Amino acid sequence: DGGITQSPKYLFRKEGQNVTLSCEQNLNHDAMYWYRQDPGQGLRLIYYSQIVNDFQKGDIAEGYSVSREKKESFPLTVTSAQKNPTAFYLCASKQVRMNNSPLHFGNGTRLTVT
Amino acid sequence: DAKTTQPPSMDCAEGRAANLPCNHSTISGNEYVYWYRQIHSQGPQYIIHGLKNNETNEMASLIITEDRKSSTLILPHATLRDTAVYYCIVLPSYNTDKLIFGTGTRLQVFP
Repeated sequence: DGGITQSPKYLFRKEGQNVTLSCEQNLNHDAMYWYRQDPGQGLRLIYYSQIVNDFQKGDIAEGYSVSREKKESFPLTVTSAQKNPTAFYLCASKQVRMNNSPLHFGNGTRLTVT
Repeated sequence: DAKTTQPPSMDCAEGRAANLPCNHSTISGNEYVYWYRQIHSQGPQYIIHGLKNNETNEMASLIITEDRKSSTLILPHATLRDTAVYYCIVLPSYNTDKLIFGTGTRLQVFP
């Protein structure tokens, strides 16, 4: 089955530590995205990538970094500079050749920083 | 701004059709109507989208009014696993990245 895999599902870290969240897709989608979702709120775009070796900042990129070395993979690093890292992180992907192609999401990683 | 209005909650008996309404009176000509749902602690799941014609897939049907100011998502035979928050979103065809989820409709399917 094609899909988007995020791992781990739950992640706990101490304040001051960097942590990397994994996102892999086998849908052959060109574009990949990272969002965060806070309780009772909608999605906020962190970073996105339309093509390998290229990515752009979203609305809340400060304190985060990404890489896109392979089409299938788009890992997100939450650095110690991120002031409120505890959140539910969602990875998504879509095909860019079709104008109205919808986003498809993984099942998320819930990060707790104490 | 979510640009859509949905009822906060609905109930549906298992096996019956669930009809979820959405108002989007300010929709522009190049904006599509997308439906997603989110089960607690999972990622949003894409359901269906449309521009002006009614659409159907294996999950649901989407009925869009002729003036495009409202639409209805229909789950023809609701099951307990359809219990989730359903989000109606309008997006331009050239920019489906900027998903803005409103409060959605919490659908409770009961036995």
